[in-house]
Amino acid sequence: EAGVAQSPRYKIIEKRQSVAFWCNPISGHATLYWYQQILGQGPKLLIQFQNNGVVDDSQLPKDRFSAERLKGVDSTLKIQPAKLEDSAVYLCASSYLAGGYNEQFFGPGTRLTVL
Amino acid sequence: GENVEQHPSTLSVQEGDSAVIKCTYSDSASNYFPWYKQELGKGPQLIIDIRSNVGEKKDQRIAVTLNKTAKHFSLHITETQPEDSAVYFCAASIGGSQGNLIFGKGTKLSVKP
Repeated sequence: EAGVAQSPRYKIIEKRQSVAFWCNPISGHATLYWYQQILGQGPKLLIQFQNNGVVDDSQLPKDRFSAERLKGVDSTLKIQPAKLEDSAVYLCASSYLAGGYNEQFFGPGTRLTVL
Repeated sequence: GENVEQHPSTLSVQEGDSAVIKCTYSDSASNYFPWYKQELGKGPQLIIDIRSNVGEKKDQRIAVTLNKTAKHFSLHITETQPEDSAVYFCAASIGGSQGNLIFGKGTKLSVKP
């Protein structure tokens, strides 16, 4: 079974530029999560989708971050404009069940450096 | 807001020794507690989890204990091996949520051969 795919793996941009990350979850997984992991810290949830609807985006900085999950499969996370403090690893995860507590499978992440 | 505290931040043991990592949580409604292992350049991988109706769970060399009254849970790794070296994260579900987790800051475990 293929895991969660993310691209690109690395991205370096200047502050105030825009950037987009892509995630393809495990086939059949209803729930998709985007996390931000700053160096030396645990992942912090940014947004959770259930199929193609947003369940929780309370920690998403909506003035600069946006995310979508078209057709309930792939998802993109965008930052526009980027700030220095956005430098982090952006992790995508998916889980099978729609609701409830169940194993989240993480992708390898995209390491973003903002200069 | 809710938080999870994890200790120690770094842990160094000799191969064959045991390692213990402890976490405390603040939300009394939390009822799911997974542990993740993250190797360099990879995403976190679930190694064991426990739900609030269970006090202890074991899987080969790994065990997790939960004390709901004290709001703390621990990860125990016995007979450590060099390949156990990684960063370990505990997490707790946010009460009433549909799977949302809050993570600790991680413990970097080094197992010396």
